[in-house]
Amino acid sequence: AQSVTQPDIHITVSEGASLELRCNYSYGATPYLFWYVQSPGQGLQLLLKYFSGDTLVQGIKGFEAEFKRSQSSFNLRKPSVHWSDAAEYFCAVGATPRTGGGNKLTFGTGTQLKVEL
Amino acid sequence: GAVVSQHPSRVICKSGTSVKIECRSLDFQATTMFWYRQFPKQSLMLMATSNEGSKATYEQGVEKDKFLINHASLTLSTLTVTSAHPEDSSFYICSASVFGATNEKLFFGSGTQLSVL
Repeated sequence: AQSVTQPDIHITVSEGASLELRCNYSYGATPYLFWYVQSPGQGLQLLLKYFSGDTLVQGIKGFEAEFKRSQSSFNLRKPSVHWSDAAEYFCAVGATPRTGGGNKLTFGTGTQLKVEL
Repeated sequence: GAVVSQHPSRVICKSGTSVKIECRSLDFQATTMFWYRQFPKQSLMLMATSNEGSKATYEQGVEKDKFLINHASLTLSTLTVTSAHPEDSSFYICSASVFGATNEKLFFGSGTQLSVL
C-alpha cells in the first residue's frame, strides 16, 4: 500500500528565509508525486508534480521539489518565503497516470507553514 | 485553468437530517470524480471514486448507505450525507479528473465544511 509521511506538523520561518518541507513516500512502483497548498477554507491548489524525467521539478509561486528515489523523498523548497506563503502544504502520491481507474491519491498529514514578518 | 465548483462552502444541519454537496466541473468534462473528507489537523482521506453513469467505488470503512454518491453527468457529482450525526462533521472536498494528451489532471473544489449539531 502506498503511504506518505510529512514529519513536520508545523514549521515557522521568517519572511525572506529559505524553506524546505519534507516528504517521504512508500510506493511499490514508480510514484507519481504531488505537492498541494491549502489556504484556510479553500480547496487544494497544485504546486507541482513529478511523473518522470528531470528529478528537480519547478512549480508555481517559485516552489521546486526534488525527487530522490534512493531516499524515497520528494522535498519541497523555496529560496525566499513570502508572507503569503503561509498555508498548509500536502504531499501526495498516486499511481502513474492513465491507469484507467483515475488517479487515487494518498495524502500526507500536511505541514502548517507560518511566516514571521 | 479548469475550475471545479463545490457547493455549499459551509453547511450547518441538525442531527438526523440529510445534506447534499454538489461538485461541478465548470469548463471541462470530468472522467472521474473523487470525494475526500478531512478532519482537523489531519490529511485528506479518500472516501469514494465515482465515474459517470456507474456506481461509486467506496474505500474500505466508508459506509455507502450513509454517504450516497450520484454522478449523473460528466460535469456533476453529488455527495449526500444521510441521517447526519455530529461525528460526520468534517471538511469534505471533491476533485475532478480529466485525461489530457499526455497525462491525467486533477482539479479540486474549495471544499464544504459540514457541522452537524
